[in-house]
Amino acid sequence: EVHLVESGGGLVQPGGSLRLSCSASGFAFSSYAMHWVRQAPGKRLEDVSTLNSDGGYTYYADSVKGRFTISRDNSKNTMYLQMSSLRAEDTAVYYCVKEGSITLIPGTYFDYWGQGTLVTVSS
Amino acid sequence: QPVLTQSPSASASLGASVKLTCTLSSGHSSYAIAWHQQQPEKGPRYLMKVNSDGSHNKGDGIPNRFSGSSSGAERYLTISSLQSEDEADYYCQTWGTGLVVFGGGTKLTVL
Repeated sequence: EVHLVESGGGLVQPGGSLRLSCSASGFAFSSYAMHWVRQAPGKRLEDVSTLNSDGGYTYYADSVKGRFTISRDNSKNTMYLQMSSLRAEDTAVYYCVKEGSITLIPGTYFDYWGQGTLVTVSS
Repeated sequence: QPVLTQSPSASASLGASVKLTCTLSSGHSSYAIAWHQQQPEKGPRYLMKVNSDGSHNKGDGIPNRFSGSSSGAERYLTISSLQSEDEADYYCQTWGTGLVVFGGGTKLTVL
């Protein structure tokens, strides 16, 4: 059974940093592209970052480019999102999401979601 | 990247059927989409992928009450024999290279 478990969320001041982790199990983690998707209160889902199976290809939404860094450690079945220069508008639940098919570069449907971790940016 | 349009809300009675629509922007009518359900206070759950020819592939454990179809640039999610737990937000998703795109979501109320 596939499990995606996020951790690392919390309350942080504007300008601060936070690192999210996603621990994966139940599938061949090293074969799949993964994403971080966020949902601000009352807002639609937003795909903020993705990387392919070996981490060689990474993509970022314009809203986080230059501030967030996505990475993965396939030996630990774990994905990360390093967030810096955080702003109030980064406040959201952050989901770890698995792609549904094996691709060379990210870009297909999602088939499993984590339960999410809440990031609150406030003074 | 394509843009996805969904009606903000829909409603139907317990035991009835409802058909939700996701519309692809002009020039993108050949794209497949995926439907995801988000129940209150929960993370999203994958329901199915719907191709342009109307074929669909459901996720693990998704009941037969859920089905997908297509017509032109529209992709549909039909839920039959509505149950109270179907009251949720439904999002469609599509993709190109890299980041994916979501529709604004449809809030389904079961009366």
